[in-house]
Amino acid sequence: EAGVVQSPRYKIIEKKQPVAFWCNPISGHNTLYWYRQNLGQGPELLIRYENEEAVDDSQLPKDRFSAERLKGVDSTLKIQPAELGDSAVYLCASSLIRKGAGGEQYFGPGTRLTVT
Amino acid sequence: GESVGLHLPTLSVQEGDNSIINCAYSNSASDYFIWYKQESGKGPQFIIDIRSNMDKRQGQRVTVLLNKTVKHLSLQIAATQPGDSAVYFCAEKTRGGGSNYKLTFGKGTLLTVNP
Repeated sequence: EAGVVQSPRYKIIEKKQPVAFWCNPISGHNTLYWYRQNLGQGPELLIRYENEEAVDDSQLPKDRFSAERLKGVDSTLKIQPAELGDSAVYLCASSLIRKGAGGEQYFGPGTRLTVT
Repeated sequence: GESVGLHLPTLSVQEGDNSIINCAYSNSASDYFIWYKQESGKGPQFIIDIRSNMDKRQGQRVTVLLNKTVKHLSLQIAATQPGDSAVYFCAEKTRGGGSNYKLTFGKGTLLTVNP
């Protein structure tokens, strides 16, 4: 079974430019997460989807970040405009959460963003 | 605020030795504690977890110990192999509303295994 797929794997852009990341979760997983991971740090949650609904976006900087999960499968995370401080690895994860039980999260390889 | 942190940022061991990676936490309300392994260029990979009402759990070559009195978590890797070289994160899994769980990660420890 394929794992979580992310693209692109690497992206270099100039500040003030837009950028988008794509995630395809594990088939059948109803919950999708976007994390940001700075160098040497653990991942930090940006947004969590249950199916197509964003149920936790409290840590998403909404002035420049946006995300969508159309049809409750693939998801896109966008930054517009990018700032130097946005350089990080953006991880997507997915899980199957059933009523009363929080499923294990499976992570993709991430997209390494460098803003110059 | 609540946080999960690691005592040592780097650990270097010889192949075949046992490794111990430590983690301190401050949120007593966490339901589970989880160890993840992250190799270069990859996402975190689940290793083992422990429920908050347990103090020890063993897996294949790994053991996690939980000391709730001092809020300390450790990962022991037996007979460490070069393939164990990676960054290890501890994480707290805390229940929110309904089936909502939140993962809070610590900073990470880089384990280097010397052949």
